Amino acid sequence: GAVVSQHPSWVICKSGTSVKIECRSLDFQATTMFWYRQFPKQSLMLMATSNEGSKATYEQGVEKDKFLINHASLTLSTLTVTSAHPEDSSFYICSARDLETAIKYNEQFFGPGTRLTVL
Amino acid sequence: DQQVKQNSPSLSVQEGRISILNCDYTNSMFDYFLWYKKYPAEGPTFLISISSIKDKNEDGRFTVFLNKSAKHLSLHIVPSQPGDSAVYFCAASAYGTSYDKVIFGPGTSLSVIP
Repeated sequence: GAVVSQHPSWVICKSGTSVKIECRSLDFQATTMFWYRQFPKQSLMLMATSNEGSKATYEQGVEKDKFLINHASLTLSTLTVTSAHPEDSSFYICSARDLETAIKYNEQFFGPGTRLTVL
Repeated sequence: DQQVKQNSPSLSVQEGRISILNCDYTNSMFDYFLWYKKYPAEGPTFLISISSIKDKNEDGRFTVFLNKSAKHLSLHIVPSQPGDSAVYFCAASAYGTSYDKVIFGPGTSLSVIP
């Protein structure tokens, strides 16, 4: 099946620094990638949708200047948490979808997630 | 406004018995429904899906039933195994519309007791 990787799997940073998380589709071309955030014991919250080569579409309440998303190629999307604060500590998960799968199944393939802890 | 609801936050089932996880949705534009399984500190893994043109889809021990008129779907796991213990998310989408993204429910934590 389709594989999506994330790097790093966990990161600890100081308050005020920026952190970049990478999401890669390893064996397919991801026309669309999604970024989710999960708080402990809560559901996955969609943060933004990014289509290759265009600007990301952010969900209501998500600060686009704080969570910078770049989808520069069909296999890579990055999420940069700028000027991180302790309340940004969370589990960030990306997912990817290729056009063929989307038309047939609208299915997404999820990465393993990145645990961010901001001190 | 929660468009996908899973009203049972947790469920305990004896090994070998049937697990039934329920999900309700409010948006009639949804035409594709998915179930994901998630272990702590891992990404969700796809389990089974169903299109709105069907009312049942089966894959091994997992069966999903869809009742469009009631806007309700359920996941049946038979027989339940201890390895099924995880959080199960119901999700819905409508490709090609403004809901062209997967909307997740809050999840149900399933515990299968040996």
